[in-house]
Amino acid sequence: EIVMTQSPATLSVSPGERATLSCRASQSVSSNLAWYQQRPGQPPRLLIYGASARATGIPARFSGSGSGTEFTLTISSLQSEDFAVYYCQQSNNWPPVYTFGQGTKLEIK
Amino acid sequence: QAQLVESGGGVVQPGRSLRLSCTASGFTFSNSGMHWVRQAPGKGLEWVAVIWHDGGNQHYADSVKGRFTISRDNSKNTLDLQMNNLRAEDTAVYYCARGSGANYYYMSVWGKGTTVTVSS
Repeated sequence: EIVMTQSPATLSVSPGERATLSCRASQSVSSNLAWYQQRPGQPPRLLIYGASARATGIPARFSGSGSGTEFTLTISSLQSEDFAVYYCQQSNNWPPVYTFGQGTKLEIK
Repeated sequence: QAQLVESGGGVVQPGRSLRLSCTASGFTFSNSGMHWVRQAPGKGLEWVAVIWHDGGNQHYADSVKGRFTISRDNSKNTLDLQMNNLRAEDTAVYYCARGSGANYYYMSVWGKGTTVTVSS
């Protein structure tokens, strides 16, 4: 089973600054990697798929990179609405198992 | 726009059963793989099950295999999750989500969720 590990668990950043979130897979997942944002009391929202493609309606300040086992989500200039929990997720095997990371909480510094 | 609405949650005793439903609109349901994902109180996301667009394939997390069954009715745009022999650790918000990409590997649309509480 592929394990997804996100770091850090909590990231404190000031509004307007850049945030960099990491996700590591225990084995290669190619580019089958997605990122989600979850605000309190809300369902998750797809941000990034294919490791680097922004989902419909997602602002350009969100970008994803990486392949294989190392992935990064970057938020270039934090807005107040960006403070939330972020999850990475993969599926790259058969039979399919869809695995989420444990999440990174992005909080206001 | 694409929308998913879950229903059927509630409080149930351990060992009992519950059936969740999800109604889709705003996209071609019959072309879409569908997932159930859950989130225990204060915890992260856990994938539960997936069903292929035509119902031909279903796959489950080990934690629910043999107890939960995912199904769909493409004529009604509905997705179901039959949950049997429920345990306290099944307590969670259950989301249905539209799968996209190869083997529906990412979840592009999410419902708002329905809450299941397993307690005596």
